[in-house]
Amino acid sequence: KQEVTQIPAALSVPEGENLVLNCSFTDSAIYNLQWFRQDPGKGLTSLLLIQSSQREQTSGRLNASLDKSSGRSTLYIAASQPGDSATYLCAVRRGQGAQKLVFGQGTRLTINP
Amino acid sequence: NAGVTQTPKFQVLKTGQSMTLQCAQDMNHEYMSWYRQDPGMGLRLIHYSVGAGITDQGEVPNGYNVSRSTTEDFPLRLLSAAPSQTSVYFCASSYSGTGGREQYFGPGTRLTVT
Repeated sequence: KQEVTQIPAALSVPEGENLVLNCSFTDSAIYNLQWFRQDPGKGLTSLLLIQSSQREQTSGRLNASLDKSSGRSTLYIAASQPGDSATYLCAVRRGQGAQKLVFGQGTRLTINP
Repeated sequence: NAGVTQTPKFQVLKTGQSMTLQCAQDMNHEYMSWYRQDPGMGLRLIHYSVGAGITDQGEVPNGYNVSRSTTEDFPLRLLSAAPSQTSVYFCASSYSGTGGREQYFGPGTRLTVT
């Protein structure tokens, strides 16, 4: 059974720092991995999608990497801003036809001005 | 595009009542899903559909029904609400073709069953 773990559960850093959020998964046979952002009381916003054949994806100040063999992904946020404060979730999809995303519990990120 | 829309945003039900959570998407996505999000449990798949007329169960389907008569709409029905169904419900959709299959989520419905 696929399990996804995100450590730490919460992280607080001062504005301007570069930071890394971690996601690990137990079954390396994944189709893709997706990072989401969730603001309090809101839905999930997709940030980055990495296919199993890719090593990384970038969007603005965000960079996500994937190491399937070790079952790990990282989300790198450069020059953090207070507006980056949110919960960040990673989720893996098992196969091309698979509907189920398996989610981690998320990392609650606070950027202090 | 409005993306994935859900109604209502909030709902309070009494135990035993029934209701339908609405979900619609305007991206012509074949795949649609319903998840619930609970503290300490994360997001769990309730039901999903790979196209109009085709639905299947996820990991927590008991107490819920779905149907998919059009590509755009995927309503979730609670047959007889129970306090254990107090949760935040999210609808999601994705393209079914080869490629990324990025999932897009709606804003959610917060349901309280008393």
